[in-house]
Amino acid sequence: NAGVTQTPKFQVLKTGQSMTLQCAQDMNHEYMSWYRQDPGMGLRLIHYSVGAGITDQGEVPNGYNVSRSTTEDFPLRLLSAAPSQTSVYFCASSPGTSDGGETQYFGPGTRLLVL
Amino acid sequence: AQRVTQPEKLLSVFKGAPVELKCNYSYSGSPELFWYVQYSRQRLQLLLRHISRESIKGFTADLNKGETSFHLKKPFAQEEDSAMYYCALSHTGGGNKLTFGTGTQLKVEL
Repeated sequence: NAGVTQTPKFQVLKTGQSMTLQCAQDMNHEYMSWYRQDPGMGLRLIHYSVGAGITDQGEVPNGYNVSRSTTEDFPLRLLSAAPSQTSVYFCASSPGTSDGGETQYFGPGTRLLVL
Repeated sequence: AQRVTQPEKLLSVFKGAPVELKCNYSYSGSPELFWYVQYSRQRLQLLLRHISRESIKGFTADLNKGETSFHLKKPFAQEEDSAMYYCALSHTGGGNKLTFGTGTQLKVEL
């Protein structure tokens, strides 16, 4: 199993550009989440999904969109990048409370720099 | 609102010394708490969760509801323990959403 994979590893954007951060998992997990990690602020939840076709907002959703068309994939879209979105982005998945509890498995992260 | 507080940004100890990473939380219901660790150039991974009451890599953490704390402890620090440690609280209502503390960087010196 590859676990949780993320692409790209590193990206530089100009203000106003759009892009999609990819996340995939091969563990058949129902739950997937996106977090951003900023110095001195820990990880903050952006969006999450409890299954294919179901998404909801987290703590800091503004400027980001998500969709979940399959169990495996959970892409994060930046429609118009801003310097405030410079961060490290982590995708995570978990089996859900009915199977194994709430341990989350994280991807390696994507470093995003918005100029 | 749920909140997790880790008061120390950096904790520096000598090898063989005891370690205690502090975590306090604010939550109205019955909490489920975790410690996640991020070693240099590695992804974030679960270290332990309070519900399993296990010891991982010599670390333990006891949930103290009276003091709303979940401090991480290890009696003898090792060099390989140097990492960033995050305390996290699970939300109610499903979705496995976590509220993280700001993290404590542990540096074990020789």
